[in-house]
Amino acid sequence: GAGVSQSPRYKVAKRGQDVALRCDPISGHVSLFWYQQALGQGPEFLTYFQNEAQLDKSGLPSDRFFAERPEGSVSTLKIQRTQQEDSAVYLCASSLSADWYGYTFGSGTRLTVV
Amino acid sequence: DAKTTQPTSMDCAEGRAANLPCNHSTISGNEYVYWYRQIHSQGPQYIIHGLKNNETNEMASLIITEDRKSSTLILPHATLRDTAVYYCIAHPFGNEKLTFGTGTRLTIIP
Repeated sequence: GAGVSQSPRYKVAKRGQDVALRCDPISGHVSLFWYQQALGQGPEFLTYFQNEAQLDKSGLPSDRFFAERPEGSVSTLKIQRTQQEDSAVYLCASSLSADWYGYTFGSGTRLTVV
Repeated sequence: DAKTTQPTSMDCAEGRAANLPCNHSTISGNEYVYWYRQIHSQGPQYIIHGLKNNETNEMASLIITEDRKSSTLILPHATLRDTAVYYCIAHPFGNEKLTFGTGTRLTIIP
């Protein structure tokens, strides 16, 4: 597709439930990023992939958060045992190369934990 | 990454030039100035970046002061669709992580 696609667009989860958020980056883009955006704040970095390798996961808030990109294209962000503080918009971005920082972002998945 | 300071909000009349300032007084030599914007319910969108020379593309112009301590993003003829939060980022080359602040909320007034 022409852009970064994320699904679902909205997700409501009960506290304690596991969720999986999907990102389809632009075809051929090497770098893939996940960001978390709380209401009224700027996006905050979660993790970074170069192809299938997860090179930086320093922003993941806890071991309940897990991301993968097994074939170097589609990525999944999984959150186990969701808590209310996980409620946020989760943004995925991709970039053609490791040294180009004009990322293309998807529209995000809005996660609400009730 | 160097800290950037932006006004919390600004208004601009439709059809006029919108000038968005950014202060980055502690910027280091290997840090570029990047601008993104985020329209409501969408992800951030890359606009432009520069190191020390002024830059222009189809979306905007970026003016960086000679001492690189501040910059201005210029939208030459603002439209209602330019209403968004604009983020100024001082980003070192070689670091993959973009660090967003809280940005400037620009409202274009009809």
